[in-house]
Amino acid sequence: DAKTTQPPSMDCAEGRAANLPCNHSTISGNEYVYWYRQIHSQGPQYIIHGLKNNETNEMASLIITEDRKSSTLILPHATLRDTAVYYCIVRVGGGNAGNMLTFGGGTRLMVKP
Amino acid sequence: GAVVSQHPSRVICKSGTSVKIECRSLDFQATTMFWYRQFPKQSLMLMATSNEGSKATYEQGVEKDKFLINHASLTLSTLTVTSAHPEDSSFYICSAASITDTQYFGPGTRLTVL
Repeated sequence: DAKTTQPPSMDCAEGRAANLPCNHSTISGNEYVYWYRQIHSQGPQYIIHGLKNNETNEMASLIITEDRKSSTLILPHATLRDTAVYYCIVRVGGGNAGNMLTFGGGTRLMVKP
Repeated sequence: GAVVSQHPSRVICKSGTSVKIECRSLDFQATTMFWYRQFPKQSLMLMATSNEGSKATYEQGVEKDKFLINHASLTLSTLTVTSAHPEDSSFYICSAASITDTQYFGPGTRLTVL
C-alpha cells in the first residue's frame, strides 16, 4: 500500500473549518483514500473514504486532487469533540475484505475554544 | 449501523495468567477481522488477520503461540494472550471488515499485566 505523509499536529478554532492535508504521491490506480480518527483511549472511528471523486457525509468532506497525489479532509465546523488524531490511509479497495490498514503517525488536531 | 464491540474494556491480571478478549460485530457479518496493538504515544500496529473458519495470519514478529486467535463465527473473534507478562501490557483493538470493505473498529481493551 502507498505511504502517506501528514503534518504531525494542527490547531483549529472551535466553529471554524478544519482542513487536514495528506500527501500520497505514490498512490496506485486501485487504491482508495481512507480517513479515520482516534480520540484518546478509544478505538479508531471511520470517517470517510474515496477513490477519485470528492465525497461528503454527515461527518466530513474529502477532497482528492485530480492527480490523486494528495487529499484534504474537511471538518466544516470543528467542535471540541473533534480533538483527536486523524489518520489518512491508502489501501486497495474493491471489495476484498482482507485488505489491511497500515497506520502512520497521523495528525493530532487540537480544537481550541 | 456497523458497530463493533469488545469485551472486556479493561483487564488487570497477574503475570503468567492468560487473558481472553472478545470482538463482536453487532449488526453485520464479518468474514475478516483484524487485531491491533497500540503502545502509549504510538500508532496502531497490526498483529494478525483473522478469517472465519480458518487459521489467522500473523504479522512478522508476532508470536502465534502466545497470541491465540479464534474466529469461530461471522460475528465473533477472540484473542487470547497466553502466559501474559508485563511487556504485554497494551491497548488491544479489533476491527471487522464489512461487505463494503470498510473496517470498523471496536472500542479497545486495555490490558495491564502486573
